[in-house]
Amino acid sequence: SQQGEEDPQALSIQEGENATMNCSYKTSINNLQWYRQNSGRGLVHLILIRSNEREKHSGRLRVTLDTSKKSSSLLITASRAADTASYFCATDNLGAGSYQLTFGKGTKLSVIP
Amino acid sequence: EAGVAQSPRYKIIEKRQSVAFWCNPISGHATLYWYQQILGQGPKLLIQFQNNGVVDDSQLPKDRFSAERLKGVDSTLKIQPAKLEDSAVYLCASSLDTGSSYEQYFGPGTRLTVT
Repeated sequence: SQQGEEDPQALSIQEGENATMNCSYKTSINNLQWYRQNSGRGLVHLILIRSNEREKHSGRLRVTLDTSKKSSSLLITASRAADTASYFCATDNLGAGSYQLTFGKGTKLSVIP
Repeated sequence: EAGVAQSPRYKIIEKRQSVAFWCNPISGHATLYWYQQILGQGPKLLIQFQNNGVVDDSQLPKDRFSAERLKGVDSTLKIQPAKLEDSAVYLCASSLDTGSSYEQYFGPGTRLTVT
C-alpha cells in the first residue's frame, strides 16, 4: 500500500532557482526519509527527519515535517543541473515483522541549465 | 566503503522462463531488502532479511518468487516462471539494522524485461 504521496509529480525549474516538493501521508509515523534517484547514482538517501522534529537542514536541503497535517516538504535551494532526478519520500510503517519504509511515486525534478 | 553490489545489471527473458538476481550488501549490514520498482513508481518492498532470517515476506508473490540469504551475507532473488508484469527494476538495499531510523543503501539494480 502507498503511504507517502509526492506533489507535484513533475517540476521543471531554471538553474539557480529553488525547488519545493511535498509529501503527504495517511497514518502516523516515527520517521520520514527523503531519497533521490537518478540514472547515474541510483537511489540515494538524502535526509531523515524524526516525528518529534519540525525542520532539518543538510547543505542545500531543508526538510520540514508537520505531523498534525501529515505532510513533509523538501526544499532544494540554488538548484543545479546535477539536481535533476526523481525525489521520493519514504514513510515508516509496521509490517509483519518490523518497521519498513513505504515509498511514494516520486517527484521528477528537471533543472534546466 | 564498497557499496551494495548487484548482478546482472540487465536481463531480458521470455515469459515462463526463470531468472535469478544476486546481491552482495555492504559489509557488516545485518538487514537486507529486495524491492521491485515498476516504471514511474516508487520502490515496493518484496522481502526483508535480518541476518539469514526472513523478517517480512508478506508482499512477495510466493507462487513464483523466492529469495534466500545464505550465511547472512549474499542474497539471491529468483522468479520462476516469469510473467510480463514482472518487468521492472529489482533493487537490493542493506542497512546496519532493522528499523526505520536506519538509512538504507541501495545497489544499482537489475533491469528485467520479460517479453
